[in-house]
Amino acid sequence: QLVLTQSPSASASLGASVKLTCTLSSGHSSYAIAWHQQQPEKGPRYLMKLKSDGSHTKGDGIPDRFSGSSSGAERYLTISSLQSEDEADYYCQTWGTGIQVFGGGTKLTVL
Amino acid sequence: EVQLVESGGILVQPGGSLRLSCAASGFTFSAYSMNWVRQAPGKGLEWVSYIVGRGDIIYYSDSVKGRFTISRDNAKNSLYLQMNSLRAEDTAFYYCTREPSDCTSCYPEYWGQGTLVTVSS
Repeated sequence: QLVLTQSPSASASLGASVKLTCTLSSGHSSYAIAWHQQQPEKGPRYLMKLKSDGSHTKGDGIPDRFSGSSSGAERYLTISSLQSEDEADYYCQTWGTGIQVFGGGTKLTVL
Repeated sequence: EVQLVESGGILVQPGGSLRLSCAASGFTFSAYSMNWVRQAPGKGLEWVSYIVGRGDIIYYSDSVKGRFTISRDNAKNSLYLQMNSLRAEDTAFYYCTREPSDCTSCYPEYWGQGTLVTVSS
């Protein structure tokens, strides 16, 4: 079964960096994922597509502070030089034939 | 600029029906696959349904299969979701999303702002 696992919460200080993790279920470690950001009271926004080799394609207007990387079944989103507007929920998402799956989301608090 | 504007969300009684619409602009609508994704208040995102550009390939999540119907009118640049036999657990914001051009049933590249459906007596 295709499942994505995310930690419910994370926190980091203003100006620092943070690395969020998304883990693919067993047998699906080669899958690409997408990262999406949802700021408070707003609709989600696509950040990037991230492949198993770590290559990623960002959405329109996504700052260079956002980057992605991969290791095995884990997919990472790194945000550097944290700003207050980065405080948001971050969702990873993947897909198979006839199905799309979201992780439970990570709530990022910027201290 | 890609724009997706959902409409049609209201308060409806359990067992009722509702049709959501999504007006698309800023791109060649018929060339892109589209999805509906929902989010219960305070909860995470849940994929609902997919339709290819031509409209002849459609997928549903198990939670809505047999109750919801996705469709599109490429002449009107519009996506629809017909929702029947509504349940309290269908209460959510419903987002219209557009996929990228280079894959099929993959991920949302653009999101609308959502429309709220509340199922309650």
